[in-house]
Order: sequence, then structure tokens, then C-alpha cells
Amino acid sequence: DQQVKQNSPSLSVQEGRISILNCDYTNSMFDYFLWYKKYPAEGPTFLISISSIKDKNEDGRFTVFLNKSAKHLSLHIVPSQPGDSAVYFCAAKDYGGATNKLIFGTGTLLAVQP
Amino acid sequence: DAGVIQSPRHEVTEMGQEVTLRCKPISGHNSLFWYRQTMMRGLELLIYFNNNVPIDDSGMPEDRFSAKMPNASFSTLKIQPSEPRDSAVYFCASSIRTGTNEKLFFGSGTQLSVL
Repeated sequence: DQQVKQNSPSLSVQEGRISILNCDYTNSMFDYFLWYKKYPAEGPTFLISISSIKDKNEDGRFTVFLNKSAKHLSLHIVPSQPGDSAVYFCAAKDYGGATNKLIFGTGTLLAVQP
Repeated sequence: DAGVIQSPRHEVTEMGQEVTLRCKPISGHNSLFWYRQTMMRGLELLIYFNNNVPIDDSGMPEDRFSAKMPNASFSTLKIQPSEPRDSAVYFCASSIRTGTNEKLFFGSGTQLSVL
């Protein structure tokens, strides 16, 4: 039972264009969402997060949008750069819950073409 | 800060052998997590500890898997006996809750191949 879903295994975009990575979740108790970025042979690193009290959070070229009614979030990268090529994982947690579990999706491989 | 340190980076073993993966969390972090990465399931949470105590091991696939955290600076994940379907990248991560902005810090992972 995959509670966090990333339905696009891969995405290819041209340098300078916008990259949009999507994520859906099923657990309505999730109230804190994160995106992690992973390069080959390295561990995932934190990129950006959003709390359920917001619908948008921006950090430089990265913006995360949250649509609670649709249980959907997306990561926008503008403009995309070749160094952004990596696997992006969406993650979610029930911050007020009894456990401290962070549930990850299956990841989306982003390739930014020069 | 050296970050989360995992060893070994690569492990190749034969089916039936015991495998032990090691993790040193970031000093001062009080939560430690073991994840497994596969193509089909992405990053799967196996078990996590809070203040060295196992809190949730519902993700441990079966009794062949066990994890310990004898002190705040060391944890092990053991597979005995190992099987080819255990082949994956295993990540250890640590965190400390600071207000509402808790983030996990991952190690570089152990690539396990069971032949």
C-alpha cells in the first residue's frame, strides 16, 4: 500500500525551462511534506518542505505547491539547470501523530538537457 | 560535522550468509532511521529509533532482519540469512526535531548484492 505516489518514473526537460514533478498521497493525516534530491552513489538530501497550513513555499528556483483537497503536491524548478539532474523523492508525515515516520514515494528521475 | 556515516559502502555476499550494516548518526541527533531503496518501492522505512529505543519496526520485511542501537552513536542492521531479494541500497538517516522543521540527514548508503 503506497501512501505516497510519484506516478512519473522519469522526466526530461530542456535547460532553462520549467520542471514540474508531481506527488500524490492517500493519508489525510499527513500534514508535513518534503522533497529530497538524490544524486547517484549519494544519500538523499533535503530540498524544500511545506506544512499543511500553507499552499505554497518558495526557495530560490524551487517552489512547492500543496493542494490538500486533491491530496496532491508538486515541485516546480525554474529555470532548470543541468545540475538539477537527479532523482527527486516526495515524502510526507503525520507531524502530530504518535510516530515520527517519514513516508517516501518511489522517486522521479529528472534529466535536464543542456 | 562528518554527517551520517555508513559502512561498508558496498557488500557482496552469497545467499545464506549473515550481513551486518553499520551506521553512525550525526552527534546530537536523537532519532535514527533505516531505509531500503528499491526500484519498485522507492525508499521504504524499515525501522526507526528514538533515543536508542526502537519505536516502529513494522517495515522490517521478516524475521531475518534485525536492528539494534546499543548507544546514541551506533546502530546496526543485520540480515541473517541473506537472500537475493534483499539486494538493494540500504540507507541510514538521523534527525533532531527543532520546532516544526525536522529534516532527515542521510548517509551515503550501503549497496548490498546477495548472489
